[in-house]
Parts: sequence; structure tokens; C-alpha cells
Amino acid sequence: QVQLVESGGGVVQPGGSLRLSCAASGFTFRSYGIHWVRQVPGKGLEWMAFIRFDGNNKYYADSVKDRFTISRDNSKNTVFLQMNSLRAEDTAVYYCAKDGVADDILDYWGQGTLVTVSS
Amino acid sequence: SNVLTQPPSVSVAPGKTASITCGGNNIGGKSVHWYQQKSGQAPVLVIYYDRDRPSGIPERFSGSNSGNTATLTISRVEAGDEADYYCQVWDSSSRHYVFGTGTKVTVL
Repeated sequence: QVQLVESGGGVVQPGGSLRLSCAASGFTFRSYGIHWVRQVPGKGLEWMAFIRFDGNNKYYADSVKDRFTISRDNSKNTVFLQMNSLRAEDTAVYYCAKDGVADDILDYWGQGTLVTVSS
Repeated sequence: SNVLTQPPSVSVAPGKTASITCGGNNIGGKSVHWYQQKSGQAPVLVIYYDRDRPSGIPERFSGSNSGNTATLTISRVEAGDEADYYCQVWDSSSRHYVFGTGTKVTVL
């Protein structure tokens, strides 16, 4: 069965950096894109970033495009989200999600990892 | 940028029908997907490509999309359907994935 496990969350000071990981299993990882989506506690879903199956195309939300970088290692079935220059408003639960076959559906989600930006 | 507007809340009695709208400029020209998020859990895909159901999703969940409004309909609502629901589209012009504002469904 498809499984996505996020890790790397924690508490970081404003201006700091953090790298999230998303370990995938249960499907042919190298054939699917992966998304990152965040959710401020009590608020709605906000899409952050997407990387295509081969890593050649990456898309970002405007709010993070100059600070966050998505990457993947198909040999390790893992996607990363490097987050720099973190702000208090980046505090949220970060989910990774597997894309469907046409780069438009988030068909399986991980359980999320909490990032808290605070001094 | 694409903005998808949903009603903040919908209340429905058990056994009745709940309709959740997702409004956006010419959304009928896009494929709409719907996610259910129960309290403390990750989202789950319940409808994709406007009206298709993933395996394991009850037939009580259905979708439609036309003009400026997409709709998720839950028939014969059960207590277990209480959750937040989000619509989502892929905006090819901006290369952004856009979520709706979310609707909290309360079963009375």
C-alpha cells in the first residue's frame, strides 16, 4: 500500500533553516510527482511545491518560491523540502502527497510533520 | 491568481443530502478534485476529475462541475462524514495548484 512518511519538523528560530524529508513506499516512486502542502493549525490547506517524477520540473507557491527548494532522490525514494529564511507565518503542519498520473491530483497523503518558527 | 470560494460551513441532518459548492472563474473549464479531512487526520481524496471516486469511497459521494461552480454532494449523510472538505484545481497558466477555502460539514 502507498505510504508517505514525513520527517524533519521541529522548532526553529526566525531566519533559520530546516530540511523536511518525505520517504515513500508502496508504489513506483520514480514514476510520480510529489507535492508539499502545509496547513496552519485550524486553517485551510495551502499548496507549497511540486516536483515532477524526473525532477526536471518544479513549481512553487509565490509565498515561498525564493526561500524553499524541493528536490528528490529517486534512488532513495525520498523527496526533500529545504526551507530557508523561515518566518513565524511558516509555522504549520507540512504534508507531502503523491501525485496521480497527470500531475494534477494529490491522491495519497502522509500524516504530516509540524514546523514551528519561534524565538 | 485563481481563487476558489467555498462556504465556511454546512450543517446537515443524518440521512439527508449535503451540497458543498466551490466557486471560481470558469471552473467548469478545469478538472476539480475534492478532499475530506477529518479532525486531526491527513486529507483524503474523495472525488477526482469532477465526478470520479477513488476505490473505497462510498457511492454516496458524487461531484459535478459547470460554469463557475463545482459541487460535491454527499447523499444519505452519516455521522462519519463530519469533516472539512476542500476543492482543488490545477491552474496551468500560473503552474500552481489551488485549494478552495474549505467547508466544515457538521452532522446535526
